[in-house]
Amino acid sequence: QSALTQPPSVSGSPGQSVTISCTGTSSDVGNNNRVSWYQQPPGTAPKLMIYEVSNRPSGVPDRFSGSKSGNTASLTISGLQAEDEADYYCSSYTSSSIYVFGTGTKVTVL
Amino acid sequence: QVQLVESGGDVVQPGRSLRLSCVASGFTFGNHAMHWVRQAPGKGLEWVTFIRYDGSNKYYADSVKGRFTISRDNSKNTLYLQMNSLRAEDTAVYYCARHGQKSSPYAMDVWGQGTAVTVSS
Repeated sequence: QSALTQPPSVSGSPGQSVTISCTGTSSDVGNNNRVSWYQQPPGTAPKLMIYEVSNRPSGVPDRFSGSKSGNTASLTISGLQAEDEADYYCSSYTSSSIYVFGTGTKVTVL
Repeated sequence: QVQLVESGGDVVQPGRSLRLSCVASGFTFGNHAMHWVRQAPGKGLEWVTFIRYDGSNKYYADSVKGRFTISRDNSKNTLYLQMNSLRAEDTAVYYCARHGQKSSPYAMDVWGQGTAVTVSS
């Protein structure tokens, strides 16, 4: 199972919006709506930000939103803040009943 | 509060074995499936293995299949990862993570702080 493809980095100024893509195949991202997103600031454990493509757990700001089209899922951060600077990973459940993570994207707030 | 605490990480030689533990607290451990996820130094997250709430089904990444075994003891609120025939490429921080239920299905909604494994001669 190959890792899902994400851009290595994205950046934006405070208040702007950034979007991170996550491209898989018809066996994972395109197969179901079980895509999740995780935020990992340097030196810390990952934190769940989005589940089932577009749902936010309690406590996650509504600046974070998710969507999916075909084999590509996306995470959008609106109204970018300095505290959003971190690595972000997508993950998908697959048709083989296993999970796969994306390659990761570093978000930089300029 | 809801918490996962991993332990057992160490420096080991290639070909040797190691067992990691993850103790859960603040929730009903026996009601949740669990995952192990690892992160090599400077690299991304890699899903390793999953076990259902009752241990009835287990799934593994191809990279560890046949060498690693996940298990759990619900009476001790503890998840395990037995790692055999360790290789240099198994060097990583290993995280245990809780599988979400109704509040966040098919996602890993609680993570431990990780335990470091280094495989080196």
